[in-house]
Amino acid sequence: AQSVAQPEDQVNVAEGNPLTVKCTYSVSGNPYLFWYVQYPNRGLQFLLKYITGDNLVKGSYGFEAEFNKSQTSFHLKKPSALVSDSALYFCAVRDWNDYKLSFGAGTTVTVRA
Amino acid sequence: DVKVTQSSRYLVKRTGEKVFLECVQDMDHENMFWYRQDPGLGLRLIYFSYDVKMKEKGDIPEGYSVSREKKERFSLILESASTNQTSMYLCASSHSRETYEQYFGPGTRLTVT
Repeated sequence: AQSVAQPEDQVNVAEGNPLTVKCTYSVSGNPYLFWYVQYPNRGLQFLLKYITGDNLVKGSYGFEAEFNKSQTSFHLKKPSALVSDSALYFCAVRDWNDYKLSFGAGTTVTVRA
Repeated sequence: DVKVTQSSRYLVKRTGEKVFLECVQDMDHENMFWYRQDPGLGLRLIYFSYDVKMKEKGDIPEGYSVSREKKERFSLILESASTNQTSMYLCASSHSRETYEQYFGPGTRLTVT
């Protein structure tokens, strides 16, 4: 079985400050990890993924994520948050031999001006 | 750009009605998925299909069925809508290769009264 935990329902930061959204996962084999963002009344947009290789993955809109195998984590980061980054963020995981993604419950990010 | 479209953005149906949600993708993807999204629960997989006329149950298939007669189209059917099926429904598609991310449609917000 595979699962994802996003321990924070909400993250609030000031514009210009670093932003971190936490994610931990559980899979039986090698993980494929993804971050998606959802703006109000929209579908999910792909941000970035970790499949193999470098533990630091860079994605869209200046976001990056760090894969940590020992801590089974894949935290999303942005060095300087923008008001426009305010949205709902989902972490997802799949086992290497499975079609299905398992999603976390989501973290609402609010960036105040 | 990958495009996944869903037939309706908003839908209101009565209890007991048969409901059809349509999804079309234009990138020749092998895999297609139906999720429902509820606050605090993230996305939960209802059904997925990895080829025409092929389908597999996801985590919450009860009360739903699907149809995939053409590669580009994946339909979700609520045989007899109930109020607990009020939700946001998201369709997604992906290539069959293991590392490919899923691309999502804009969602259909279904209300069953």
